Amino acid sequence: DTEVTQTPKHLVMGMTNKKSLKCEQHMGHRAMYWYKQKAKKPPELMFVYSYEKLSINESVPSRFSPECPNSSLLNLHLHALQPEDSALYLCASSQDMYSPLHFGNGTRLTVT
Amino acid sequence: QQQVKQSPQSLIVQKGGISIINCAYENTAFDYFPWYQQFPGKGPALLIAIRPDVSEKKEGRFTISFNKSAKQFSLHIMDSQPGDSATYFCAASMELTGGGNKLTFGTGTQLKVEL
Repeated sequence: DTEVTQTPKHLVMGMTNKKSLKCEQHMGHRAMYWYKQKAKKPPELMFVYSYEKLSINESVPSRFSPECPNSSLLNLHLHALQPEDSALYLCASSQDMYSPLHFGNGTRLTVT
Repeated sequence: QQQVKQSPQSLIVQKGGISIINCAYENTAFDYFPWYQQFPGKGPALLIAIRPDVSEKKEGRFTISFNKSAKQFSLHIMDSQPGDSATYFCAASMELTGGGNKLTFGTGTQLKVEL
């Protein structure tokens, strides 16, 4: 089990649906991340939050909308996704520059 | 310049053998180099990490060798076991101006340890 908890573990949604992915950590980490991972590929950074403020948006389409309600929670709101958005969405957290990222086990998203 | 090149793409090693995975980077702004292990259906888990002021770090059966001048680093897994069969990613990290750090991952190596 990891210290970063992601829900749901699996999600199937249609292209017109609105859904949210949730991530929670209680390690006191002040940076949180969303990554996207396609099969047999490395994770790709999407968003970084530092002290609850959006620090980095890696040119992610607006159909993905992140939210950081507090220092322990991170959400990713999904709307009007495309089938090519199907992937494993990983949340991670870290304390500072020289501390490692701790990843959750991800949400397996399928867009139909 | 942001890329981290990783080789080999796949690797088959006999039980008890040594697994070696190599990575190279270009951007000298990277200053933290972790290795992650990922099993199917799981998120990446930190295996071992090194800073560029150290040439070698060993934790149990896992060793990172780091060559700062060549901008290369490698992972050695001694006495490889079937349970080590997984995908391994090297990564390079730099601090973000707004806080947090950005990991750039290598392309991954699928390791299979055979009995």
